[in-house]
Amino acid sequence: SAVISQKPSRDICQRGTSLTIQCQVDSQVTMMFWYRQQPGQSLTLIATANQGSEATYESGFVIDKFPISRPNLTFSTLTVSNMSPEDSSIYLCSVGEGGGHGYTFGSGTRLTVV
Amino acid sequence: AQSVAQPEDQVNVAEGNPLTVKCTYSVSGNPYLFWYVQYPNRGLQFLLKYITGDNLVKGSYGFEAEFNKSQTSFHLKKPSALVSDSALYFCAVHSNDYKLSFGAGTTVTVRA
Repeated sequence: SAVISQKPSRDICQRGTSLTIQCQVDSQVTMMFWYRQQPGQSLTLIATANQGSEATYESGFVIDKFPISRPNLTFSTLTVSNMSPEDSSIYLCSVGEGGGHGYTFGSGTRLTVV
Repeated sequence: AQSVAQPEDQVNVAEGNPLTVKCTYSVSGNPYLFWYVQYPNRGLQFLLKYITGDNLVKGSYGFEAEFNKSQTSFHLKKPSALVSDSALYFCAVHSNDYKLSFGAGTTVTVRA
């Protein structure tokens, strides 16, 4: 299965600033996903990052707040913009192909907004 | 729409005893079912999956899960729990599309 390197592993940020999270995969993958895990809660899909096209966002998430880049088949970034304390969460990237083939997750970025 | 329910927030067992973590699902179409484990300050680690075939699926670290179509369940089991199994466990499902839906998670504590 693919190996994912996600950076940074954690950060503490001031409200109103932005943080960009990087996800590097050791092989070419079609689908990359970004999830949010709020404290004590489950994972919620933010968006699907498509290479060569705009990301597809889930209900409740918008591009202005969570812009995503996918410049090639091995790399993606998620930016958390104009942060507030409510954005404090773990953010995870994932790769997978559906069809029951399974999904691999990065180690996550623990974000604290103060 | 698809959804996953993990009815127990917490499961506590003694080391050496059987461990069961419950999961029920709802999908339209054939389900692809997964179990993941999350240790503190770590990402999600894949344990096992059900796609088709045998209802009993064996996975990593001695875990297994039984798919029950009539009860729409996919309970995770381990015959003899270890203290190191203490973690947060997630059940997940997707159907004909690629989007995973996760349960709320179950915290497993195995006491020595």
